[in-house]
Amino acid sequence: NAGVTQTPKFRVLKTGQSMTLLCAQDMNHEYMYWYRQDPGMGLRLIHYSVGEGTTAKGEVPDGYNVSRLKKQNFLLGLESAAPSQTSVYFCASSRDLLGYEQYFGPGTRLTVT
Amino acid sequence: GIQVEQSPPDLILQEGANSTLRCNFSDSVNNLQWFHQNPWGQLINLFYIPSGTKQNGRLSATTVATERYSLLYISSSQTTDSGVYFCAVGTILTGGGNKLTFGTGTQLKVEL
Repeated sequence: NAGVTQTPKFRVLKTGQSMTLLCAQDMNHEYMYWYRQDPGMGLRLIHYSVGEGTTAKGEVPDGYNVSRLKKQNFLLGLESAAPSQTSVYFCASSRDLLGYEQYFGPGTRLTVT
Repeated sequence: GIQVEQSPPDLILQEGANSTLRCNFSDSVNNLQWFHQNPWGQLINLFYIPSGTKQNGRLSATTVATERYSLLYISSSQTTDSGVYFCAVGTILTGGGNKLTFGTGTQLKVEL
């Protein structure tokens, strides 16, 4: 039982390049989330999904797209990376809406030059 | 949106000392979690505690939802306790999800 895993762990992009971050969970959780963490701050919600085939915007969605084609996977895409997207990205999952905690992956450190 | 404040922002302890970290939040919440972010950046779940008191080894937590605060107690601190402690409160999103709003954390350093 690996929990929540993220790929890749590190990435450096040039401005304007695109990439996809992969999140996978093996706990059969319905809900999945993408957060970003900037220096000296807590995490902020980018997008989330309440089940396979669903996605919704969070607090800071601009510049990102997401897809949840399979229940166990949640993808975060950057179509045209900008330096302001330099951050550490965390994926999380939870069993249900209420009464269950969110579990976080190890994070992806992204630098956009 | 909801505001989450943590205190103190920084804390230095000698190994073996006890400490209390506080989390205040500005509105009613559905849940509350405490995390430890270790020096390698990993977020470790400590407690899921929307109300009441829980204990896990040297750590314990209490949430008083009616007064909108939570406390994390660390007893007999060890150097491995170093890192940042985050409080995060959950609110229901329009789309049905559960958004966690994080405080800015307490940076803890435990010295020998």
